[in-house]
Amino acid sequence: EVQLVESGGGLVQPGGSLRLSCAASGFSFSDHHMNWVRQAPGKGLEWLSYISSTSSNINYADSVKGRFTISRDNARNSLFLQMDSLRDEDTAVYYCAKSVRNGWLIDYWGQGTLVTVSS
Amino acid sequence: EIVLTQSPGTLSLSPGERATLSCRASQSVTSNYLAWFQQRPGQAPRLLIYAISTRATGTPDRFSGSGSGTDFTLSISRLEPEDFAVYYCQLYGSPPRTFGQGTKVEIK
Repeated sequence: EVQLVESGGGLVQPGGSLRLSCAASGFSFSDHHMNWVRQAPGKGLEWLSYISSTSSNINYADSVKGRFTISRDNARNSLFLQMDSLRDEDTAVYYCAKSVRNGWLIDYWGQGTLVTVSS
Repeated sequence: EIVLTQSPGTLSLSPGERATLSCRASQSVTSNYLAWFQQRPGQAPRLLIYAISTRATGTPDRFSGSGSGTDFTLSISRLEPEDFAVYYCQLYGSPPRTFGQGTKVEIK
């Protein structure tokens, strides 16, 4: 069974940093591209970032480009999101999402971790 | 960047009725990389439909997707109680992999 478990969320002040992690199991992590998607309270889904299986291809939404960094450790079956220069509007539930093998389609989501940016 | 606009924002229907949800792209979509996700309250999203019209594993056949160009539709033939949720469309080809703003299907 595919499992994606996010961690690292919490309360952080504006301008601060946070590092999210996603522990993957139940599939061959190194064969799959991965994503981060967020959802502000009461709002819709916002795609943030994508990383290919070998980390050779990385994309970001304009809203986080230059502030957030996606990375992965295939040996540890883990996905990360380093978030710097956080703003109030970054407050959201952050989801780790798995893509299908050799494709971009998201087929599984974690349960999310809440990040609150507030002074 | 292609923007996806979903309508209506909220659909109020009764169980057993048919639901028709729209997803309109700001420019013509040349690939078939259009997906639909369902999100129930307090849950993570779940993949329903991909490649415009292909049901994901576990998606009941009362769900169907269609469309081309700029206009895409998710139809639910007969609403079951568990179908009352928010639905999002997404283009998952070239980045940015935009989502629509969502349509809430609520019980009338």
